Amino acid sequence: AQKITQTQPGMFVQEKEAVTLDCTYDTSDQSYGLFWYKQPSSGEMIFLIYQGSYDEQNATEGRYSLNFQKARKSANLVISASQLGDSAMYFCAMREPGGAQKLVFGQGTRLTINP
Amino acid sequence: GAVVSQHPSRVICKSGTSVKIECRSLDFQATTMFWYRQFPKQSLMLMATSNEGSKATYEQGVEKDKFLINHASLTLSTLTVTSAHPEDSSFYICSARGFGGGSYEQYFGPGTRLTVT
Repeated sequence: AQKITQTQPGMFVQEKEAVTLDCTYDTSDQSYGLFWYKQPSSGEMIFLIYQGSYDEQNATEGRYSLNFQKARKSANLVISASQLGDSAMYFCAMREPGGAQKLVFGQGTRLTINP
Repeated sequence: GAVVSQHPSRVICKSGTSVKIECRSLDFQATTMFWYRQFPKQSLMLMATSNEGSKATYEQGVEKDKFLINHASLTLSTLTVTSAHPEDSSFYICSARGFGGGSYEQYFGPGTRLTVT
């Protein structure tokens, strides 16, 4: 069974600093997808970034980048130049292969940006 | 981009009553919809997967007779919590997947906060 682990329950960072949120995964599949979502206090799930298992380059989306280390089975999210609005819960997720392509989520990391 | 709506956003009901939550894909046809439940300060847990026109597939431990899911059209799926109890109070989120593959094919609704008194 696939599993996602986020070992940081909470992170506190000063505004404008970069922050790395950890995510490790466990799967026996060769083809899989990794996602990061942001969930502010309003509850909506905001898609941030995606990395496919066969993608050779690390994914980047604006201030977000994914540090994909396949051999270590890690997919850390890096947020550069953090902003107060980045304070939220962050979830790492893996898409299971197969027809349904369900998402399995990690426990989440609560990020707080201090002014 | 693809938009998924949920209605209602918040609902309070009395113990023993039933409540229906709607999930709609507004600008695309959703072949598959997923229903998640999220307790406070916890992660999202998948409850069931529904495909248009067929019975939903429930995850282990989810009571299918209590959480009725109907996916009658390509744009609408409903979750009915029957005989609700206070322990069913939670945040329910749906997501929808359209035709074909692609990296970002699963889109989330804004969620419904259910409180059972």
